[in-house]
Amino acid sequence: EAGVAQSPRYKIIEKRQSVAFWCNPISGHATLYWYQQILGQGPKLLIQFQNNGVVDDSQLPKDRFSAERLKGVDSTLKIQPAKLEDSAVYLCASSQTASGNTIYFGEGSWLTVV
Amino acid sequence: GQSLEQPSEVTAVEGAIVQINCTYQTSGFYGLSWYQQHDGGAPTFLSYNALDGLEETGRFSSFLSRSDSYGYLLLQELQMKDSASYFCAVSPGNTGGFKTIFGAGTRLFVKA
Repeated sequence: EAGVAQSPRYKIIEKRQSVAFWCNPISGHATLYWYQQILGQGPKLLIQFQNNGVVDDSQLPKDRFSAERLKGVDSTLKIQPAKLEDSAVYLCASSQTASGNTIYFGEGSWLTVV
Repeated sequence: GQSLEQPSEVTAVEGAIVQINCTYQTSGFYGLSWYQQHDGGAPTFLSYNALDGLEETGRFSSFLSRSDSYGYLLLQELQMKDSASYFCAVSPGNTGGFKTIFGAGTRLFVKA
């Protein structure tokens, strides 16, 4: 069974530029998550989708971050404009149900903002 | 609100047993999960407890006490490859908006 796919793996951009990350969850998983993980910290939930609807986006900085999951399958997370403090790993994850008891993570997209 | 507390670091010797504790505060509760993350890698699922008691999976066991809002991960026969960060995570269920929240992580160092 294929895992959660993410791209790009690494990205370096200058502050105020934009970046987009793509994620394809495990086939059949209804719930998709985007987490931000700063070095040395735990994953912080940015947004959670159930199919193509948003379950929670309370910690998404909506002035600069946006995410969509239009067809209820793959998803894109965009940052525009980027700030230095956005340097982090962006982890996409999926689970079969919204209960979140078993979450499968992708390898992450490493973002450095300079 | 929701919060989890776990020790920042634990050091143990190869072959020993180590316990990583986690206390949580949530508005709702479905279960407590544990994840392992090696440096540069993705978090991987280890175990899940929805009911009180001990769940055993090979060298790893996880315990939950819902009344105490407390759980722990027990690692036995420690190996060098167990050196990693371990995260507890709470699934709050529908009363918590279904947001799965992670702790800050415990860094485990296994010494020879």
